[in-house]
Amino acid sequence: SSELTQDPAVSVALGQTVTITCQGDCLRTYSANSWYQQRPGQAPILVIYNRNERPSGIPDRFSGSGSGGTASLTITGAQAEDEADYYCNSRDSSGSRVVFGGGTQLTVL
Amino acid sequence: EVQLVESGGAVVQPGGSLRLSCAASGFTFEHYSMHWVRQAPGKGLEWLSVINGQGGAIKYADSAEGRFIISRDNNKDSLYLQLNSLRSDDTAFYYCTKEHRTGWPAIDHWGRGTLVTVS
Repeated sequence: SSELTQDPAVSVALGQTVTITCQGDCLRTYSANSWYQQRPGQAPILVIYNRNERPSGIPDRFSGSGSGGTASLTITGAQAEDEADYYCNSRDSSGSRVVFGGGTQLTVL
Repeated sequence: EVQLVESGGAVVQPGGSLRLSCAASGFTFEHYSMHWVRQAPGKGLEWLSVINGQGGAIKYADSAEGRFIISRDNNKDSLYLQLNSLRSDDTAFYYCTKEHRTGWPAIDHWGRGTLVTVS
């Protein structure tokens, strides 16, 4: 089992706001987590790094936050193209390895 | 433009070995740590290993420790992953990835992956 826990599936109505969460004790120590979007048949892309920073080219409807042992990815005004799997990652509790959450499948209704 | 192109995936029998390669371009390869991440069909992402820019610092996930070996050749802008004692649960797409400038765990570029099938 992963050190990072995500809800397996979440849905959101088109244009509404959705938050995807990632929980793990390692996040209390290593808060600089990242989030990745993976559409079917494609490689993942980085959408958030350092908990709340957005790479260039990522729409500003994507935002990251968190505190304690929880990190969150929020999509404000979800679009059809946001339908994808989302993964969080962080350093593990030892700080010497990387761990990924199990992923959340986002459905845009 | 950053490009990462994996190769070497194949069908291999249990207990066999395989060497994956990744050709990198579009950035100063020696300045960045590189990671291998895999994804079994229909499953989630699994981090495997990281190697720093000069190749002197290496870490492995438990699933890779003792069986897989990461290496790099900065003269060839290439990353490698030697897979030994392969098992059926090693069947997956293997991604070559580049670490973000802010350091790990952020990974800012991924290759398309190369498929390893152990059967």
